[in-house]
Amino acid sequence: QVQLVQSGTEVKEPGASVKVSCKASGYTFTSFGISWVRQAPGQGLEWMGWINIYNGNTQYEQKLQGRVTMTKDTSTNTAYMELRSLTSDDTGVYYCARPIVTRGFYFDYWGQGTLVTVSS
Amino acid sequence: QSVLTQPPSASGTPGQRVTISCSGSSSNIGSSTVHWYQQLPGTTPKLLLSRDNQRPSGVPDRFSGSRSGSSASLAISGLQSEDEADYYCAAWDDSRNALVFGGGTKLTVL
Repeated sequence: QVQLVQSGTEVKEPGASVKVSCKASGYTFTSFGISWVRQAPGQGLEWMGWINIYNGNTQYEQKLQGRVTMTKDTSTNTAYMELRSLTSDDTGVYYCARPIVTRGFYFDYWGQGTLVTVSS
Repeated sequence: QSVLTQPPSASGTPGQRVTISCSGSSSNIGSSTVHWYQQLPGTTPKLLLSRDNQRPSGVPDRFSGSRSGSSASLAISGLQSEDEADYYCAAWDDSRNALVFGGGTKLTVL
């Protein structure tokens, strides 16, 4: 069965960076992308971008350009999301999800989420 | 503010039919399919409907969706207490070249 397992809770100081991992299993990793969605406390869902695992191409939400990098390691079926220059506005739960990109763009499987807290 | 507009809350009694609207523009809902997610309290979002009205395996047929012009809606018939959750619509936006979400609708079963 398809599973996306994310790394654990992170606590960071303002200005620091965080790198969250997402290990995939149960399907051919290179046949799908991985997308990242975040959710601030008590708020809605926000798309951050995605990486095409097959060719490594990335697409980021414009407001995060320059601060976010999505990468992959096909030897371990793991995708990564690094966010730099953290502020308190970056506090929230970060999800990886598997996107289906034909006739739309939607997520059929989600990771369990990683809580990132930015605080001094 | 979210690119797609949803009512912040909705409610109904058990057995009732409720609808949740999702309004966008020609660059998103007007030109792309809409997808709906259900997020039960304290849990990960789950795909509820894809491509306007396609139910993944395991989603009851009480859930249905439609899209017309730049708007879409989710309908839940035979409301049950376990349907109490946050519901989000999403669509690709061609002008932003990004996926956009609605702000979410909190459904309360009275």
